[in-house]
Formats: sequence, C-alpha cells, structure tokens
Amino acid sequence: EADIYQTPRYLVIGTGKKITLECSQTMGHDKMYWYQQDPGMELHLIHYSYGVNSTEKGDLSSESTVSRIRTEHFPLTLESARPSHTSQYLCASSPQGAIGGYTFGSGTRLTVV
Amino acid sequence: TQLLEQSPQFLSIQEGENLTVYCNSSSVFSSLQWYRQEPGEGPVLLVTVVTGGEVKKLKRLTFQFGDARKDSSLHITAAQPGDTGLYLCAGYTGTASKLTFGTGTRLQVTL
Repeated sequence: EADIYQTPRYLVIGTGKKITLECSQTMGHDKMYWYQQDPGMELHLIHYSYGVNSTEKGDLSSESTVSRIRTEHFPLTLESARPSHTSQYLCASSPQGAIGGYTFGSGTRLTVV
Repeated sequence: TQLLEQSPQFLSIQEGENLTVYCNSSSVFSSLQWYRQEPGEGPVLLVTVVTGGEVKKLKRLTFQFGDARKDSSLHITAAQPGDTGLYLCAGYTGTASKLTFGTGTRLQVTL
C-alpha cells in the first residue's frame, strides 16, 4: 500500500500546454522532493521543500515550479510544456533529520508531443 | 561534479552468478543508503548503513560501508531474475539535510 501517491501515472500532452503533476503523502513528512529521471538513468533533483511555504530549486535547472501550501501536497507545474520536458518525474518524501530514507511515488511518465 | 560514482554502470549476468556493485566518493558520508528501482516504479529503500565498516545482510544481498565512510559495496549472491533493476546508492554528507544520489547501476539477470 503506497503512502505517497502521484497522478497521473502517464500523460501525453501537446506542446505549449500547461500541466500540473500531483504528489500527496500520508506520512506527515516535512521534507518533499521532485526528481527528473530518464529511463534507467540517474536521478536529477529539480525541486525540494522542507515544510509548508518552503520551496527550493534543486541541482538540475528546470522550467517547472512547485508549491507547498499543505504538508501532504507538493504539486509540480509546467506552464508551457515542450518536447524537452519528456521524462519521468518522481516525487519523494522523508522525515526530518539526516538519516531517514526517502519514500518514492511510482512516478509520472510525461510525453510532450 | 558527481559526488557518488557507481560501478559498473551496467551489468548483465545469468541466474545463479554472484556480483558486486561499488559506490565511491571522495567525500565522507554520515550515512549511506541503497535503493532498488524496478522499471516503471520509484526507487525502494533496501538498507541504511551508518557506522564505518558496518556490514548488513538482507537475504542474498550483503551491504558494506567503508571504514572511512567514503565508499560502499553491494554484493548479491546467486542472482535471480527478480533482482533485475536499477541500484542506487545515496548518502548524507556533512550538514546536508538531503540525500546525494549515485549515478546508478543497471542490473539485468537472465535465465
């Protein structure tokens, strides 16, 4: 039973469209993250949050934005999708401290045509 | 600069063989974790090691943290097709409060 949920699982969308990828967790974790990953490749951190109203950009430059209005919800928005945004997007959360493991969602596979 | 380098990048072996995956860095980690990711899913935490020299076993998987806490290894005995996936190491460095992930090792186990 998943404790972190991502929707949709798959999305095919046209260039220029605005999209929001949803991520919710039921564990009460303060820390949440968004990663971009090409199939079988390494993870690239694009956004993270340490709590409500806290958001930071990650190591990989991204044209997406995030918000954290509620502890359990961390949506990612692309204002104008482009083919270069085609990738898998993974959401994760972790408890406070610097030893806790991350719990990942199943990901959203985005294709921009 | 990638802090955590994994080797090999890709490994294809037959069922029953043994293998070792390495995770190396020039930085010291306060703790290190290993994850496995199956195609189409998110990574799943396998183990956390905290103490230099620590060894942990999870069925056929053996994890070791280097004495200087700069490296780690994952050894799989008698690999099975169900072991197929992407293996990622990840660690916390210094005062960082988020994980640094390694470059990943793709393992394929065939019958």
